[in-house]
Amino acid sequence: NAGVTQTPKFRVLKTGQSMTLLCAQDMNHEYMYWYRQDPGMGLRLIHYSVGEGTTAKGEVPDGYNVSRLKKQNFLLGLESAAPSQTSVYFCASSLSQVGGGTQYFGPGTRLLVL
Amino acid sequence: QKEVEQDPGPLSVPEGAIVSLNCTYSNSAFQYFMWYRQYSRKGPELLMYTYSSGNKEDGRFTAQVDKSSKYISLFIRDSQPSDSATYLCAMKETSYDKVIFGPGTSLSVIP
Repeated sequence: NAGVTQTPKFRVLKTGQSMTLLCAQDMNHEYMYWYRQDPGMGLRLIHYSVGEGTTAKGEVPDGYNVSRLKKQNFLLGLESAAPSQTSVYFCASSLSQVGGGTQYFGPGTRLLVL
Repeated sequence: QKEVEQDPGPLSVPEGAIVSLNCTYSNSAFQYFMWYRQYSRKGPELLMYTYSSGNKEDGRFTAQVDKSSKYISLFIRDSQPSDSATYLCAMKETSYDKVIFGPGTSLSVIP
């Protein structure tokens, strides 16, 4: 099992460019999440999905869109990148939310917006 | 005031020391408390999970929750260089709520 994988690992964008981050999980998990991690801020939830075909906003959704067309994939899109979106992006998945709802994280995507 | 706070560190200790990592929070409705460990340039991984107040032990790790003080702790006994990582506390109100993460404490265990 590969667990949670993220593509790409690193990307540099110019302001105004668009891109899509891909997250894939092979654990048959229902729940998937996109977080961003910034120094001193911890992990902040961008969007999440409770199942195939569903998406919902998290704490910091502005400037991002997501899609979950297949259960195993969760895509994060930046339509017009801004320097404030420079961050490390983590995808996570969980089997359920019961109790602690263990989340399994991918290795992260480092994004630099110039 | 942030909902969950942690001393960012870095915390540097000699190998074999007992380490105490702490989080304070403001939301008294939190009931589920987690500790995640994150190695450099990796994603976080769940270390411990506790429901409500009390202690939970797993090997060298002990998680402690004091809901009256809105304070949680993670103790690491006989710390090892392999424990060097950032430790994130996390919590949520009910099973179906979103998880709120603290900013993390960086720990370095010196051989």
